[in-house]
Amino acid sequence: AQSVTQLGSHVSVSEGALVLLRCNYSSSVPPYLFWYVQYPNQGLQLLLKYTSAATLVKGINGFEAEFKKSETSFHLTKPSAHMSDAAEYFCAVSAPRGSYIPTFGRGTSLIVHP
Amino acid sequence: DTGVSQNPRHKITKRGQNVTFRCDPISEHNRLYWYRQTLGQGPEFLTYFQNEAQLEKSRLLSDRFSAERPKGSFSTLEIQRTEQGDSAMYLCASSTDRGGEAFFGQGTRLTVV
Repeated sequence: AQSVTQLGSHVSVSEGALVLLRCNYSSSVPPYLFWYVQYPNQGLQLLLKYTSAATLVKGINGFEAEFKKSETSFHLTKPSAHMSDAAEYFCAVSAPRGSYIPTFGRGTSLIVHP
Repeated sequence: DTGVSQNPRHKITKRGQNVTFRCDPISEHNRLYWYRQTLGQGPEFLTYFQNEAQLEKSRLLSDRFSAERPKGSFSTLEIQRTEQGDSAMYLCASSTDRGGEAFFGQGTRLTVV
């Protein structure tokens, strides 16, 4: 079984500051990992994914994440926050075969101050 | 490709009534997932189809819930005798057989009054 833990239900940054959203995973097999973003009353949009290729993954809107097996982490970063980045962010894990059912974390709300 | 489509977007119903939601996945995707999301939480898995076969169901899917995917195309999720605790966003997602990311619809927000 797979699971993820997102540390911090809320993260607050100033516009232009570094964004760091933390995700740790648990998996009995090498996982697939994902970050999704959700705006109010909307579905989830994929930001980036790790599927056992390069450990540093670049996504949309300037976000990137690094897979660290030794730390079982997949933290999401962005060098400079923009007001439009304010949203809910979800980390997800799935097995690399079989049903591929994504299991989601509880989410982190990113607040961006002007 | 118009993405995953869910209807209706919003549904208000009285306790005890039955409701049905529809999901149209991306056309070439043969895997389809239903999730439920309550306020302040991440999506919770309900059930999964590969083509028309329902292969996995969560313990969250009580006897009042039923899902179908006839002919392996669109899917419906029905909730019978709704309860206030059923109020949530119901999300549908689809993916290919090769795994990788699931693509989500906009969701159906259910309010049981």
